Amino acid sequence: GAVVSQHPSWVICKSGTSVKIECRSLDFQATTMFWYRQFPKQSLMLMATSNEGSKATYEQGVEKDKFLINHASLTLSTLTVTSAHPEDSSFYICSAIEDTRGEKLFFGSGTQLSVL
Amino acid sequence: DQQVKQNSPSLSVQEGRISILNCDYTNSMFDYFLWYKKYPAEGPTFLISISSIKDKNEDGRFTVFLNKSAKHLSLHIVPSQPGDSAVYFCAAMDTGRRALTFGSGTRLQVQP
Repeated sequence: GAVVSQHPSWVICKSGTSVKIECRSLDFQATTMFWYRQFPKQSLMLMATSNEGSKATYEQGVEKDKFLINHASLTLSTLTVTSAHPEDSSFYICSAIEDTRGEKLFFGSGTQLSVL
Repeated sequence: DQQVKQNSPSLSVQEGRISILNCDYTNSMFDYFLWYKKYPAEGPTFLISISSIKDKNEDGRFTVFLNKSAKHLSLHIVPSQPGDSAVYFCAAMDTGRRALTFGSGTRLQVQP
């Protein structure tokens, strides 16, 4: 199946710093990628839709200035958590649609962010 | 407002028996449904999907049933194996929007 690589898998940072998470589609092109967040024992919540070459679409309640998304190429989307705070600690997962394979979403392995 | 609901947070089944995981949705715009399996600190793994034009889709030990009138779908795993123990998420998609809405998950424990 298609592979989506997400890096890093685990990051610990100090409050106030910024963290960048990368999501790459390894064997296919993805014009659309999605970023999800999961808090412990809760469901995955869609944060934003990342579109190659255009601005991301954010879900209601997600601060676009805090969660910067860049989808500069057909195989790479990045999520930057700016000025991270402890309440941003969560599990972040990206996913991508391979445009010729129908509606299956392929997920990255996730990034566990812990903000001290 | 939870558009996709999995009302059973956990399920325990004996090895070899059938596991039935249920999911309800409220948004009539959803027209594609998927089941994912997830281990802690890992991304979800796709299991099986079904389009709203079908009422059943089968793949090996996994079968998904869709009842559109009831806005209900279920995942059947038979026979259940200990390796099936994980959290299972139901997800729904409005294919016009292409983003998934997830349920809260059901933790399945298959006892040897």
